[in-house]
Amino acid sequence: AQSVTQLGSHVSVSEGALVLLRCNYSSSVPPYLFWYVQYPNQGLQLLLKYTTGATLVKGINGFEAEFKKSETSFHLTKPSAHMSDAAEYFCAVSEEGGGNKLTFGTGTQLKVEL
Amino acid sequence: GAVVSQHPSRVICKSGTSVKIECRSLDFQATTMFWYRQFPKQSLMLMATSNEGSKATYEQGVEKDKFLINHASLTLSTLTVTSAHPEDSSFYICSARDLNRGGYTFGSGTRLTVV
Repeated sequence: AQSVTQLGSHVSVSEGALVLLRCNYSSSVPPYLFWYVQYPNQGLQLLLKYTTGATLVKGINGFEAEFKKSETSFHLTKPSAHMSDAAEYFCAVSEEGGGNKLTFGTGTQLKVEL
Repeated sequence: GAVVSQHPSRVICKSGTSVKIECRSLDFQATTMFWYRQFPKQSLMLMATSNEGSKATYEQGVEKDKFLINHASLTLSTLTVTSAHPEDSSFYICSARDLNRGGYTFGSGTRLTVV
């Protein structure tokens, strides 16, 4: 079975500050990992994903995440927060061959302050 | 990139009526689509996995007869909420798997309000 834990349901940063959203996963097989962003009353937009290969993954809008197998983590970072980054962020895991279902974390609401 | 169109974006219906939500993959074939439900300020809960040409696979606790899923073609899956009640009010989101590009593409969601 797979699961995702996102530490911190709410994160607040100042504009221009580093953004760090934490995600830990459990999976019985090598995981595929995803970060999605959701704006109010909208669907989910893919920020980035890790499947195989390079463990540092770069995504859209300046976000990146690093897959650390030893720590079972896939934390999302952005060097400098922008007001438009304020949204809900979801980490998700899927297992190839496991029905390809995505399992989501509980989400982290990012607030960006002036 | 891959696009999934979901309609309607908002719907208000009377208690006891049925509502159909459509999810279309516009530029790719989606053999598998997923239906999620999201309560306010909560995560997405998978309701069912829809495979083209076969019966949907429902998650534990999801009523099959209440949430009817049809995936008759490679580009269209529908979710029908039958005999809707106020407790069915929620945000429903579909997702399609693009085997060629990999990954999952989400629809924009449907806000269902049952009055």
